[in-house]
Amino acid sequence: QKEVEQNSGPLSVPEGAIASLNCTYSDRVSQSFFWYRQYSGKSPELIMSIYSNGDKEDGRFTAQLNKASQYVSLLIRDSQPSDSATYLCAVRGISGGYQKVTFGTGTKLQVIP
Amino acid sequence: DAGITQSPRYKITETGRQVTLMCHQTWSHSYMFWYRQDLGHGLRLIYYSAAADITDKGEVPDGYVVSRSKTENFPLTLESATRSQTSVYFCASSDQGEKLFFGSGTQLSVL
Repeated sequence: QKEVEQNSGPLSVPEGAIASLNCTYSDRVSQSFFWYRQYSGKSPELIMSIYSNGDKEDGRFTAQLNKASQYVSLLIRDSQPSDSATYLCAVRGISGGYQKVTFGTGTKLQVIP
Repeated sequence: DAGITQSPRYKITETGRQVTLMCHQTWSHSYMFWYRQDLGHGLRLIYYSAAADITDKGEVPDGYVVSRSKTENFPLTLESATRSQTSVYFCASSDQGEKLFFGSGTQLSVL
């Protein structure tokens, strides 16, 4: 079982709609959760972090965390063509001394004008 | 300019050759990382460093060597390149080891 799982997509949504991206993780004691955005041919860029159960909003982005279900999601409201990218879920678990960050394989989002 | 820079941006080499990828950051971040990104595998950690002179293996360290004599530099060496090491390599840094800031990447082709 992969440590961090995401549907590879592509997820296609019309412009102005809500895009919902999902991620599950296997390490029950994970503490920190992140969403990175990666445009084609570019490097990943951190867009959201969340540490406790519930919702965290930042502009058009909302991260949701449910530790009991080991589930993290990212909602993008009023999706724009510029949101078209691959979204990587990352989880910081516990592994020896340093708590390494593990990435999912990413979900490709396409926003259709 | 402040930030994290990688060089070269593109590299073509032959099997068996030694290759060094460079990474330099100006934030004085304690942590530095090397990842490779391959289709279907996502980002996989090769090596990381928590401070100067402290390095440790990640998920896929075989065939790679790192060093960190100065806080700002974290070079990655492929001692004898193989075709399976063809990949995009990303260096990243972090002050506390969780929010990572990535360099622009090195696209390496081993022929």
